[in-house]
Amino acid sequence: DAGITQSPRHKVTETGTPVTLRCHQTENHRYMYWYRQDPGHGLRLIHYSYGVKDTDKGEVSDGYSVSRSKTEDFLLTLESATSSQTSVYFCAIRRGGNTIYFGEGSWLTVV
Amino acid sequence: DQQVKQNSPSLSVQEGRISILNCDYTNSMFDYFLWYKKYPAEGPTFLISISSIKDKNEDGRFTVFLNKSAKHLSLHIVPSQPGDSAVYFCAASVEGAQKLVFGQGTRLTINP
Repeated sequence: DAGITQSPRHKVTETGTPVTLRCHQTENHRYMYWYRQDPGHGLRLIHYSYGVKDTDKGEVSDGYSVSRSKTEDFLLTLESATSSQTSVYFCAIRRGGNTIYFGEGSWLTVV
Repeated sequence: DQQVKQNSPSLSVQEGRISILNCDYTNSMFDYFLWYKKYPAEGPTFLISISSIKDKNEDGRFTVFLNKSAKHLSLHIVPSQPGDSAVYFCAASVEGAQKLVFGQGTRLTINP
């Protein structure tokens, strides 16, 4: 158990609507990450955070924004969802060293 | 630019035999490598890692080999068990860096 809770776990939304995914950790770790998993692409980093209000872009950040107002919560927002953002989204934390630990995932379908 | 590549999308192995999953990387700055295992509808779980100062790391049935000159690593599972059927991702990072770069994944199926 990585001590991470993702919500919602499943969501269907319409194109053009905003969507926010929440990642909550209980262990007070500094680093948090959002990845997406797509067939043929593996896991790709969207955004990450290295502290409260400290965030940076990953390799597929277009169309996404993040916020971290508290250590325990890292929010991923799709400002205007598109079908290409249909994916599985994983939050992760880094406990120390180079190993990161993932949450259970959030399945998002944009119709 | 795919810095970490897993060129085999799938692999099928008989139960009890050895499974070998391969991963290649292009960035010579990478010095820490990891393998993750993922079951359907679950998050990836950390399996084993290796630092570039080593060429082998073992943990039970799992062994990771690193060939720095070839920029290649492999994961050996011996003996393979049905519960090993999953998608395996390799990942790489630069020591002290804040993020991991993942490969595309290989789906391993263990046949009885």
